[in-house]
Amino acid sequence: GAGVSQSPRYKVAKRGQDVALRCDPISGHVSLFWYQQALGQGPEFLTYFQNEAQLDKSGLPSDRFFAERPEGSVSTLKIQRTQQEDSAVYLCASSFRQGGGYTFGSGTRLTVV
Amino acid sequence: KNEVEQSPQNLTAQEGEFITINCSYSVGISALHWLQQHPGGGIVSLFMLSSGKKKHGRLIATINIQEKHSSLHITASHPRDSAVYICAVKPGNQFYFGTGTSLTVIP
Repeated sequence: GAGVSQSPRYKVAKRGQDVALRCDPISGHVSLFWYQQALGQGPEFLTYFQNEAQLDKSGLPSDRFFAERPEGSVSTLKIQRTQQEDSAVYLCASSFRQGGGYTFGSGTRLTVV
Repeated sequence: KNEVEQSPQNLTAQEGEFITINCSYSVGISALHWLQQHPGGGIVSLFMLSSGKKKHGRLIATINIQEKHSSLHITASHPRDSAVYICAVKPGNQFYFGTGTSLTVIP
């Protein structure tokens, strides 16, 4: 596609429910990032992939958060047993190469009730 | 500790005014990004800068690598410019983001 596509656009989950957020990067983009943005805050780093390799997951806030990119293209961010503090916009960004220009997706707004 | 600081946090301007948003950072970088985020949450990349100045339409971005400072200027501001403007730097594998400047342009 022409841009980075994220789905769903909005997600409401009951506390304790598992959710899966999808990111479709631009075809051929090697680098992929996930960010979490709480209301009124700047985005906070979660994890980084280079192709299928997860090179940095230091930003994942707990072991309830898990990200994968098994074939080096589509990535999924999974949150298990969601809690209210997980409510945020989850942003995905990709780049053709490290240090190149980045394209951001529109984000998934997760609300945990 | 914030690696990226933006000012002001909030800005209200009359349509037509010249607007400046500032960004200072504390880490060594090779490039700085200015991003625009609309209320729905979607982010658009406006500029990637490594030196000097870039211009796109009514938007101008400058960077001084030695002083670790960048500015985003909007000339002849318009209500459709209302958004959050975020400065981001990437010294290594990940971005560091400022908390953003919320701009409201009043007709």
